[in-house]
Amino acid sequence: ETGVTQTPRHLVMGMTNKKSLKCEQHLGHNAMYWYKQSAKKPLELMFVYSLEERVENNSVPSRFSPECPNSSHLFLHLHTLQPEDSALYLCASSQVPGVAGGIGADTQYFGPGTRLTVL
Amino acid sequence: GNSVTQMEGPVTLSEEAFLTINCTYTATGYPSLFWYVQYPGEGLQLLLKATKADDKGSNKGFEATYRKETTSFHLEKGSVQVSDSAVYFCALPSGSARQLTFGSGTQLTVLP
Repeated sequence: ETGVTQTPRHLVMGMTNKKSLKCEQHLGHNAMYWYKQSAKKPLELMFVYSLEERVENNSVPSRFSPECPNSSHLFLHLHTLQPEDSALYLCASSQVPGVAGGIGADTQYFGPGTRLTVL
Repeated sequence: GNSVTQMEGPVTLSEEAFLTINCTYTATGYPSLFWYVQYPGEGLQLLLKATKADDKGSNKGFEATYRKETTSFHLEKGSVQVSDSAVYFCALPSGSARQLTFGSGTQLTVLP
């Protein structure tokens, strides 16, 4: 496979469930991102990992827990979600030059997203 | 921090009409500027980008010119097709990790 892949594409879960979203990038990039896209709202950045270190946590509730075991994989662990967490969750990757958090963003490449519905 | 303001939608056009979607930015320095497109049921795809002032990005008949005088990066296409129906996002880097900040998106519908 090429580019950025995400699994599952669709997920329905109850508020007491625990599930994980997976993202994998095949582009050799060193930064990965989670975004949330809700209806009628702008894209919201959730987390950024650069060189496998979390460099941004955009005031996201603790019921969302990211994990980046290596530069190619990114997970979003979900537990005790609320119905308002239903959204499209998008993963992206990019090549950021320099040290972690350094200047010089490059193009971000997105996966197809996971459509999450919380009942 | 850096930000973008994007033209509100939705926009509805007939096939072969001329398209303009306005985007203005506020930024420190001269960051790269991007247009992304999201087709129904899909993630975002890079449409075009410009990396410095006066650059013109182009792809699939779409164009946008990086204008520092007016701090704008308007998206244009001379003749839209039904297949161009999608949501279009303007974006630029911001924040400590230089992640992208996106505009609110403009829904384009092209009618046959």
